[in-house]
Amino acid sequence: NAGVTQTPKFRVLKTGQSMTLLCAQDMNHEYMYWYRQDPGMGLRLIHYSVGEGTTAKGEVPDGYNVSRLKKQNFLLGLESAAPSQTSVYFCASIYRGLQETQYFGPGTRLLVL
Amino acid sequence: AQTVTQSQPEMSVQEAETVTLSCTYDTSESDYYLFWYKQPPSRQMILVIRQEAYKQQNATENRFSVNFQKAAKSFSLKISDSQLGDAAMYFCAYRKIYNNNDMRFGAGTRLTVKP
Repeated sequence: NAGVTQTPKFRVLKTGQSMTLLCAQDMNHEYMYWYRQDPGMGLRLIHYSVGEGTTAKGEVPDGYNVSRLKKQNFLLGLESAAPSQTSVYFCASIYRGLQETQYFGPGTRLLVL
Repeated sequence: AQTVTQSQPEMSVQEAETVTLSCTYDTSESDYYLFWYKQPPSRQMILVIRQEAYKQQNATENRFSVNFQKAAKSFSLKISDSQLGDAAMYFCAYRKIYNNNDMRFGAGTRLTVKP
């Protein structure tokens, strides 16, 4: 199993450009999450999904959209990137159970100029 | 809202020695989970240890153990016999027991291990 993978690993955008980050998991997990990590702060939840076709807002959802068209993929979109969205983005997933721990992807570093 | 505080931005330890990383949290819940995650330079988030608040016994995983003080809302991580590979950022995290979808993280402690 590859676990949780993220594409791309690193990207540079100009202000106003759009892009999509892809998270994929091959563990048949139901729940998937997108976090951002900024210096001096812990991870903060952007959006999450509890199953195919469902999404919900987390702590810091503004400026982002997500989609979960397939169970194994969770996409994070930036429609009009801003410098404040410069961050490291992590995807995570769990199967379903309340006692389970989240598995994290390797992260995507995004720089918005 | 639940908050997680790690008051030590940086810590260092000599190889083979013991170090303790601090974490406090704020919650009105009685049942919840607490976690310590390790983030090495590769950026991968790796679970180190997990504690269920309803368990009085402190969790241990090999060289890693916690000191969970529920009344004080304190959750420290002790690393014994420190190794060079333990050098990383360490994050404390909290989650309600019946809510998978609201994990709260502290700001992290950067641990340096000196040979």
